[in-house]
Amino acid sequence: NAGVMQNPRHLVRRRGQEARLRCSPMKGHSHVYWYRQLPEEGLKFMVYLQKENIIDESGMPKERFSAEFPKEGPSILRIQQVVRGDSAAYFCASSTTAQGNQPQHFGDGTRLSIL
Amino acid sequence: KNEVEQSPQNLTAQEGEFITINCSYSVGISALHWLQQHPGGGIVSLFMLSSGKKKHGRLIATINIQEKHSSLHITASHPRDSAVYICAVGPTGTASKLTFGTGTRLQVTL
Repeated sequence: NAGVMQNPRHLVRRRGQEARLRCSPMKGHSHVYWYRQLPEEGLKFMVYLQKENIIDESGMPKERFSAEFPKEGPSILRIQQVVRGDSAAYFCASSTTAQGNQPQHFGDGTRLSIL
Repeated sequence: KNEVEQSPQNLTAQEGEFITINCSYSVGISALHWLQQHPGGGIVSLFMLSSGKKKHGRLIATINIQEKHSSLHITASHPRDSAVYICAVGPTGTASKLTFGTGTRLQVTL
C-alpha cells in the first residue's frame, strides 16, 4: 500500500507525558500537512512542511507543539506535556507540490486520548 | 463567519433518494475538495475541482466560481454512503493548506 501511513492509529497518554505522532507520506510526495480534528469540530490546519523545512506553522499552538520532516524518515508531530485539551484526531496529508490545485492524500489519522 | 460554510449539518435520507450537500466559501480559491469520513475512520478524497462538474460513479460534484458555491450530489443513495462529507478549499498561490467546512453528517436508512 503506497498511501499515507500514520502511526500509531490510537495513542493514550497521561497528562504531562509526551506524544509522538508519525506520518510517512505517499511515495514521491515531499509536502506534508498536519491537521487536527477536535471532538465535534471541523478539521483545522496545523503545519505544512517540506523535507527538512517548516514552511507554514501558523496553525500550531505556540507552546508544547513541534513538527519536523527530516531528510530521511517520517514526519513527526510532537506534543510535550500533554493536557486533556490535546485529545483529538490528528491527520496527516501529503502532496507532490505546494500548488493549491493539487490533491492532498490523507492518512487514517492518529486518535490521541489524554487520561 | 467561517470561510467555508456547509449545509445541511445533518441529513437523513432513505435508501434510493437523491442527496445534495451544499458548500459556500468566501475566499479566493485555486480548488475545492470534497472529502468523505466514516465514523472513526480516515479521510478519503472524493473530488478536487476548480471549475464545472465531475462525476464518479453515483457521485457528482459541481462548482460555480462566480457564486463561490459547490454542491455534492449522491444519486440512488445507499446505507454505505452514510458518512460525514467535508468541503475544503485550497487557497490561491502556493502553500496549499486547506480550510475546511464543519461537515455534513449523512445517514442513509433502509
